[in-house]
Amino acid sequence: QVQLQESGPGLVKPSQTLSLTCTVSGGSISSGGYYWSWIRQHPGKGLEWIGYIFYSGSTYYNPSLKSRVTISVDTSNNQFSLKLSSLTAADTAVYYCARAQFNYYYSGMDVWGQGTTVTVSS
Amino acid sequence: QSVLTQPPSVSAAPGQKVTISCSGSSSNIGNNYVSWYQHLPGTAPKLLIYDNNKRPSGIPDRFSGSKSGTSATLGITGLQTGDEADYYCGTWDSSLSAVVFGGGTKLTVL
Repeated sequence: QVQLQESGPGLVKPSQTLSLTCTVSGGSISSGGYYWSWIRQHPGKGLEWIGYIFYSGSTYYNPSLKSRVTISVDTSNNQFSLKLSSLTAADTAVYYCARAQFNYYYSGMDVWGQGTTVTVSS
Repeated sequence: QSVLTQPPSVSAAPGQKVTISCSGSSSNIGNNYVSWYQHLPGTAPKLLIYDNNKRPSGIPDRFSGSKSGTSATLGITGLQTGDEADYYCGTWDSSLSAVVFGGGTKLTVL
């Protein structure tokens, strides 16, 4: 059974870059048919998709965040990572990693991490 | 402002049935597959429905999904107090080239 676990700092200063890592266990990140995703939830708000990556390295990003986001994959360590730059208080949120099913089309996110809370504050 | 529109809240009594709507457009729901998620605060969201109406293994058949045109619906029968949660719809938006979600619906089982 595939499991995902986010890791990274819980507190980041404004203008800095957030770096989070998602470790995949119970399965290979290189197995086809999945995109590896980042999603966030602002306090009291709904879910916001940040972007996802295929094990080959191809990426899709939310257009509203694209200029500040980089998602990368490390197949040797079965991990993928998120970098979000130029942070402001508006980036304070719970950040989730998830596995997106993809069979020639997007088919939902079937495995999620528990989420990690990130606060942007000086 | 979410791309997909859901009612903020719904409620029903234990044992009853409830439906949650999700409205979009031709660039998202109209031409792509819809998924539904259950989210209890402090936990990981859970996939309930994918490809409009398919249930992952382990999801009881009390949960069902349907789609018509640019709208989708999640149905829950035999409501239990444990079903109290936030429910989200999601899909791909071909115009935005992005995954989009609804704003979420809070289900209260009275």
